[in-house]
Amino acid sequence: AQSVTQPDIHITVSEGASLELRCNYSYGATPYLFWYVQSPGQGLQLLLKYFSGDTLVQGIKGFEAEFKRSQSSFNLRKPSVHWSDAAEYFCAVGAVNTGNQFYFGTGTSLTVIP
Amino acid sequence: DADVTQTPRNRITKTGKRIMLECSQTKGHDRMYWYRQDPGLGLRLIYYSFDVKDINKGEISDGYSVSRQAQAKFSLSLESAIPNQTALYFCATSDLGGSGRDEQFFGPGTRLTVL
Repeated sequence: AQSVTQPDIHITVSEGASLELRCNYSYGATPYLFWYVQSPGQGLQLLLKYFSGDTLVQGIKGFEAEFKRSQSSFNLRKPSVHWSDAAEYFCAVGAVNTGNQFYFGTGTSLTVIP
Repeated sequence: DADVTQTPRNRITKTGKRIMLECSQTKGHDRMYWYRQDPGLGLRLIYYSFDVKDINKGEISDGYSVSRQAQAKFSLSLESAIPNQTALYFCATSDLGGSGRDEQFFGPGTRLTVL
């Protein structure tokens, strides 16, 4: 069965520091992977997605993610965090055979301190 | 105007009441989805629809029903609300042609409280 694990429930980083949010997936075929961000009181916005090809994917707002098949991981990174990055981050895997059904992780809440 | 809209944005109701949450989209997408979000559980799929005549149960459909009135409209109903249905509900859409590739576009959410 498909599943997504985000091991870190909450992360606190200082503004300007680097960030890595972890995501591990379980899926029987080539995964389609996504990272979404949810700002307080808002819906989900797509940061980036991976389908195939280059395993390092660039997204919006300076985020990137690296797909590592051997580790079943799709970790999100940012070199220098801004206070506006404080939000909830969700990793998701898209299921090919069930009509684009998404399986979401439980989310990682990011706090940015001055 | 937003591409995916949800009404109401907030609703407080009592146990046993019937509630309808509505979703409309202007993206022209065929596929629509209803999720609920609970703290620590992420988003879980309730129902999804490929088109007006095709509706499918998701992971947690018990206690919910849906109606796809048109390509652009997808409503979620709670026939008899109970307190553990208190959650944040999201509607989402995606295009037809991707087999899992297409991103989903989310509405702003409806916060439902059942007393």
